[in-house]
Amino acid sequence: EAGVAQSPRYKIIEKRQSVAFWCNPISGHATLYWYQQILGQGPKLLIQFQNNGVVDDSQLPKDRFSAERLKGVDSTLKIQPAKLEDSAVYLCASSYNRGRGTQYFGPGTRLLVL
Amino acid sequence: EDQVTQSPEALRLQEGESSSLNCSYTVSGLRGLFWYRQDPGKGPEFLFTLYSAGEEKEKERLKATLTKKESFLHITAPKPEDSATYLCAAIYSGSARQLTFGSGTQLTVLP
Repeated sequence: EAGVAQSPRYKIIEKRQSVAFWCNPISGHATLYWYQQILGQGPKLLIQFQNNGVVDDSQLPKDRFSAERLKGVDSTLKIQPAKLEDSAVYLCASSYNRGRGTQYFGPGTRLLVL
Repeated sequence: EDQVTQSPEALRLQEGESSSLNCSYTVSGLRGLFWYRQDPGKGPEFLFTLYSAGEEKEKERLKATLTKKESFLHITAPKPEDSATYLCAAIYSGSARQLTFGSGTQLTVLP
């Protein structure tokens, strides 16, 4: 079974530029999550989708971050404009269902904002 | 405030030297406690889920246990390939049932 796919794996941008990340979850997984992981910390949830609807985006900085999940499968996370403090690993995860469903993570996209 | 705290932050062991990692949680209405392994440059890899106090799960040299306040990840006779960061996370009966992660324990097993 294929795992969660993410691209790109690495991205370096200047502050105030825009960047977008892509995620393809495990086939059949209805729930998709985007996490931000700062070096030395555990992942922090940014947004959670159930199919193509947003379940929780309470920790998403909506003035600069946006995310969508078209057709309930792939998802994109965008940052516009980027700040220095956005430098982190952005992880996508998926689960079969919400609640107790085990979340499986992709390899992440490492973002460096200069 | 719901929190997950892991200790120690870092642990160095000799190959074959057994030890335990701790994960304490102060969440109301725990619905599940998860352990993940994260290698450098990779995403977290799922290890175990524990749902109720007294539950235990084992996989090779790893054994996870759960009490009402904390979880332990016991590593028996570790090998260098067990070196990684071990993350625990809790799902609680709060909004959206999201995973709340600890900061992890960085384990190094020396040959």
